[in-house]
Amino acid sequence: GEDVEQSLFLSVREGDSSVINCTYTDSSSTYLYWYKQEPGAGLQLLTYIFSNMDMKQDQRLTVLLNKKDKHLSLRIADTQTGDSAIYFCAETFTGGGNKLTFGTGTQLKVEL
Amino acid sequence: NAGVTQTPKFQVLKTGQSMTLQCAQDMNHEYMSWYRQDPGMGLRLIHYSVGAGITDQGEVPNGYNVSRSTTEDFPLRLLSAAPSQTSVYFCASREGLGGYTFGSGTRLTVV
Repeated sequence: GEDVEQSLFLSVREGDSSVINCTYTDSSSTYLYWYKQEPGAGLQLLTYIFSNMDMKQDQRLTVLLNKKDKHLSLRIADTQTGDSAIYFCAETFTGGGNKLTFGTGTQLKVEL
Repeated sequence: NAGVTQTPKFQVLKTGQSMTLQCAQDMNHEYMSWYRQDPGMGLRLIHYSVGAGITDQGEVPNGYNVSRSTTEDFPLRLLSAAPSQTSVYFCASREGLGGYTFGSGTRLTVV
């Protein structure tokens, strides 16, 4: 079945770049997503990438997809304290309809 | 345009009680789903619906029922609450390609 894995924690200094990594097992992924969850809040869609793309950039966010290694990353440039949150990667896959499979989430802590 | 609205935001139930978590969206999305979020486990799909009158089970459906009589509403029912159902519940909707819109969540405690 589908499996999406992430490291649990990441700590960076304000102003540095953050890189959050995600690996997935399903080779039939169609879309891959990054969501942000602030404490006590719902999930906010940050960006998504179609599985036939290698990279997508949106302001401070860069998504890289390595299909061969089934590895997805989210880079946040010039990380700010407001970026502190839990970040989830998620995928949809061929044959799964609209089902969204989530990773366990990475807690990003930004220190001054 | 409110997006996805969930009510209530917080609820405490006694074991064995029943309740319905409400979810409504005003974007005319066909696809709606319910997830539960537990520490260290990400979000797991409970039930989903691809349109009015059509529902199906997700990864963790036991103990939950759903119905979809209209495009807008997708309530989640707990018939006999158990402590294992203590969690944060999220409703989400999607239309076609692209991202899913999530509600702000319902935090449920079963004692």
